[in-house]
Amino acid sequence: DAGVIQSPRHEVTEMGQEVTLRCKPISGHDYLFWYRQTMMRGLELLIYFNNNVPIDDSGMPEDRFSAKMPNASFSTLKIQPSEPRDSAVYFCASRNTGELFFGEGSRLTVL
Amino acid sequence: GENVEQHPSTLSVQEGDSAVIKCTYSDSASNYFPWYKQELGKGPQLIIDIRSNVGEKKDQRIAVTLNKTAKHFSLHITETQPEDSAVYFCAASKGSFQKLVFGTGTRLLVSP
Repeated sequence: DAGVIQSPRHEVTEMGQEVTLRCKPISGHDYLFWYRQTMMRGLELLIYFNNNVPIDDSGMPEDRFSAKMPNASFSTLKIQPSEPRDSAVYFCASRNTGELFFGEGSRLTVL
Repeated sequence: GENVEQHPSTLSVQEGDSAVIKCTYSDSASNYFPWYKQELGKGPQLIIDIRSNVGEKKDQRIAVTLNKTAKHFSLHITETQPEDSAVYFCAASKGSFQKLVFGTGTRLLVSP
């Protein structure tokens, strides 16, 4: 398996623009997680899904953030409108019953 | 909720020395404690984990110890090598291990 695949790897956008980050989990994994990593706050769990259903979104910072998982092989994290403080590396991760596997991340810069 | 503290934030050692990274957690119900290694430009990768019914676990040069009474756990790396240089994160969770709470990370630098 190719592992967890995220796109884009890098995104630079201007404040106010919509940003969509994408994730393809490892086939057969029924849990999918979105994390955000910043120097100040470290790794924070934003939301996670089980069998495509959102289970806990208490980490989503505000209504500008939304996440969907329309099927077992695809998830999106959307920020609309984006703000400079959203600049971070966003990681997607997936697991079944064992190890949590992370993607390589999407580095977002909001100017 | 759970809070995980990690020390030190940076650690520099000479090749061949041992390195120890320590974490404390706040929720006594936590029962799963993984350690992740993150190399530059990559996502975190699990290197070892321990569950609360075990006090110590080893995997070659890496070991993890857990003290449930004191609510702390540590990562030990022996005979360090330059390729061990990375950021290491501890984490804790409880129940079905879904919500991992991460420490703030330790940047380990191993000098040849």
